[in-house]
Order: sequence, then structure tokens, then C-alpha cells
Amino acid sequence: SQQGEEDPQALSIQEGENATMNCSYKTSINNLQWYRQNSGRGLVHLILIRSNEREKHSGRLRVTLDTSKKSSSLLITASRAADTASYFCATVPFYNNNDMRFGAGTRLTVKP
Amino acid sequence: GAGVSQTPSNKVTEKGKYVELRCDPISGHTALYWYRQSLGQGPEFLIYFQGTGAADDSGLPNDRFFAVRPEGSVSTLKIQRTERGDSAVYLCASSNGYSTSGANVLTFGAGSRLTVL
Repeated sequence: SQQGEEDPQALSIQEGENATMNCSYKTSINNLQWYRQNSGRGLVHLILIRSNEREKHSGRLRVTLDTSKKSSSLLITASRAADTASYFCATVPFYNNNDMRFGAGTRLTVKP
Repeated sequence: GAGVSQTPSNKVTEKGKYVELRCDPISGHTALYWYRQSLGQGPEFLIYFQGTGAADDSGLPNDRFFAVRPEGSVSTLKIQRTERGDSAVYLCASSNGYSTSGANVLTFGAGSRLTVL
């Protein structure tokens, strides 16, 4: 079964704009991760945030986590056409570090 | 190897046939995962191995699906009596259990696209 739910399902923006994707989940987590998938390829890990963290940055990526609302957001700043991909959140439950479940993803299109 | 390798990349079969999908994880990675991804959906968990044993196979949809990892490296996902509904991309991922951040991070292969006619 899938754990997280992303919204929006699809997002289309112009190059240079910021893109925000949200993820909601149901159970208590150890950490939450974001992955990216280009069309026809496997998923690539982007960033991880632990349950005791509220915000993390990596380059143009910013992730926030609100455990009280069981939600996370991924912000991509100054988007580029090469950021066009699907983005998935994955949750790791507190009781099992090896269990990882993915949401349905957000399809991001960045127009040049 | 340098990455996770999956073969075949593409498999077309007829309903009722038997199919094997292979995954060659990153050398030294102890954990290996299989996911199934339908068009427009996220990866759906099937099974994961810790070493040679299946630590969690709760995602296998029914007894037509089986996976092995006899020597703790290469894994094979086996599907018997394939049905059209089995058509999907089957993704394999591996990990060494803990990244530099102390948490489990997966490295994925490119997937095996299965089409059942």
C-alpha cells in the first residue's frame, strides 16, 4: 500500500519560477525522503528530513516537515527546464528503518 | 557494479506465461527492494530482502509472485501465469542500510517494463 499522498498531481510553471509540492502521510515516521524520476528512468534520491527536523536545504531544494499535521513540502527555487520530472515523497516509519513507501507523485513541467 | 542493473529492460509476454526479472544491486548493499509502478502512479512496495532472506513480503499481490536472493546479491522476481493486470514497470532498489545521514536511502535501477498481452 502507498503511504504518502502528494498534491498537486500535476504542476506546470515557467522557467525561473518556484515550484512547491506537498506530501501528506498517515503514520508516525522516522524520516521522510523526496525522490525524483525522469520519464522512463528509475528514481533518484534528492533529500531526506528526519522527524525531529523542521526544515532542510540542499542547493535549490528546500524541504519542510510538520509532524503535527503529518505533512511535508518540497520547494524548488528558480526552476529550470531540466527540473521537469515526477517527484515522489517516501515515508519511513519510526518502527522500521527499512520500510519505505511512496506516494503517487507530482508531475512537474517547467516550460522554457 | 556502479549502479543497480535490471534485466530485461523490456519484456513482452502472453497471458499465462512465466516471467523472470533480474536485479543486480550495488556491490555490498545488503538490502534489496522490489517495487511495481503503474503508469502515472508511485512505486508500490512488493518485497524487500535483508541479505538472503525476505524480511518483508507483505506487498506481493498474490501467490503468483515470488522473489529470491539466494546468495545475498542478485535477486530474481518470478511471476507465474501472468495476467494483463501484471503489466507495469518493476523497479529494483538497493541500499547499505544507512547513508552518511544515518538513515536508509535507496538507489534505484532503471526498471523492467513488463507488458502482458
